[in-house]
Amino acid sequence: DAGVIQSPRHEVTEMGQEVTLRCKPISGHNSLFWYRQTMMRGLELLIYFNNNVPIDDSGMPEDRFSAKMPNASFSTLKIQPSEPRDSAVYFCASSRGPRASAQHFGDGTRLSIL
Amino acid sequence: SQQGEEDPQALSIQEGENATMNCSYKTSINNLQWYRQNSGRGLVHLILIRSNEREKHSGRLRVTLDTSKKSSSLLITASRAADTASYFCATPQGGGADGLTFGKGTHLIIQP
Repeated sequence: DAGVIQSPRHEVTEMGQEVTLRCKPISGHNSLFWYRQTMMRGLELLIYFNNNVPIDDSGMPEDRFSAKMPNASFSTLKIQPSEPRDSAVYFCASSRGPRASAQHFGDGTRLSIL
Repeated sequence: SQQGEEDPQALSIQEGENATMNCSYKTSINNLQWYRQNSGRGLVHLILIRSNEREKHSGRLRVTLDTSKKSSSLLITASRAADTASYFCATPQGGGADGLTFGKGTHLIIQP
């Protein structure tokens, strides 16, 4: 079975540019999560969706960050405008639910903002 | 804020030895999960233990949970070089929410 697929794997761009990260969850999973990992702060939950509906976006750092899930097989995380402090590895994960289910992670997008 | 905190931060042992990692958390939970992360890869779910369970096994993994002490341990027996990775405990963010809060992890190195 295909796992969670994220694209791109690496992104290098200049500050001020718009960045769009993409995620395809595992088919049949109804919860989707976006996390960010840095050396300083570790893994942080940014936002999660249940049945395509955003449930908790309290982890989204600023209004520059937005996430959408237009259908059950696709989600995007957008940063506009990007800043150097946004540099991190961004992970998407999905789970079957209900609560207390294993989350399946993609291999992440390593984002560098110059 | 971090809910789970792993201890030690780093651990280096010889192949064949057992590795024990600990996790402490702050608030009441209904379950706790352990994940592994290999360098440059995403996290892989290892095991989930519920608050009414004290111990759980999966292959060479043994997880314990002590809700009175708000702590959990992960034991890897007969370690192999392929076990070299970072290990994280994760707890629900609160209110039964689906999102997880992760600790900073234990970096385990298995020396061949």
